[in-house]
Amino acid sequence: GEDVEQSLFLSVREGDSSVINCTYTDSSSTYLYWYKQEPGAGLQLLTYIFSNMDMKQDQRLTVLLNKKDKHLSLRIADTQTGDSAIYFCAETVSSQGNLIFGKGTKLSVKP
Amino acid sequence: NAGVTQTPKFRVLKTGQSMTLLCAQDMNHEYMYWYRQDPGMGLRLIHYSVGEGTTAKGEVPDGYNVSRLKKQNFLLGLESAAPSQTSVYFCASSWQAGADTGELFFGEGSRLTVL
Repeated sequence: GEDVEQSLFLSVREGDSSVINCTYTDSSSTYLYWYKQEPGAGLQLLTYIFSNMDMKQDQRLTVLLNKKDKHLSLRIADTQTGDSAIYFCAETVSSQGNLIFGKGTKLSVKP
Repeated sequence: NAGVTQTPKFRVLKTGQSMTLLCAQDMNHEYMYWYRQDPGMGLRLIHYSVGEGTTAKGEVPDGYNVSRLKKQNFLLGLESAAPSQTSVYFCASSWQAGADTGELFFGEGSRLTVL
């Protein structure tokens, strides 16, 4: 079945770049997403990429999509302590809009 | 604009008790979802609805029932709570698959503990 895999933890120093990686299985996904969850809160859409794109940049965020390898990455430049959160990769897998989420990568930013 | 509102935010139940979680959205979204989040498991879809009066099973539907009598509300029921249902429950809504980016809007979560 469909699956989304991502590493569970990432620790970086403030000011460094963070790269969170994700692999997915459904090659028919129209959109791929990155959601951010801060402690005690729900998930919020951080960014998304359309499946016919290779890259999307939005201020400090860069999303890279390799459809051949079914690999998605999120790069956060100049990581700040406020970026500490859990980041979820997700793909659309059905016409009903269901998203399959990865288990989430907990990003810890050390000052 | 409240977005997606879940009630209650916290609840403690004893094994065998029943309860209902309410999700309300004010964005006129067609689709609504209930997920549960457990440590190390990510989010798993329990049930979803593609419109008023419709419901469908997700990945982990056992032990739960849902109803969508009004477009803006999606109820999640536990008829006989079990400790395995201790979790954080998230409701989400979206406009319509295919009509936009498919972004899901999430509530703040409801933390349920079953003793």
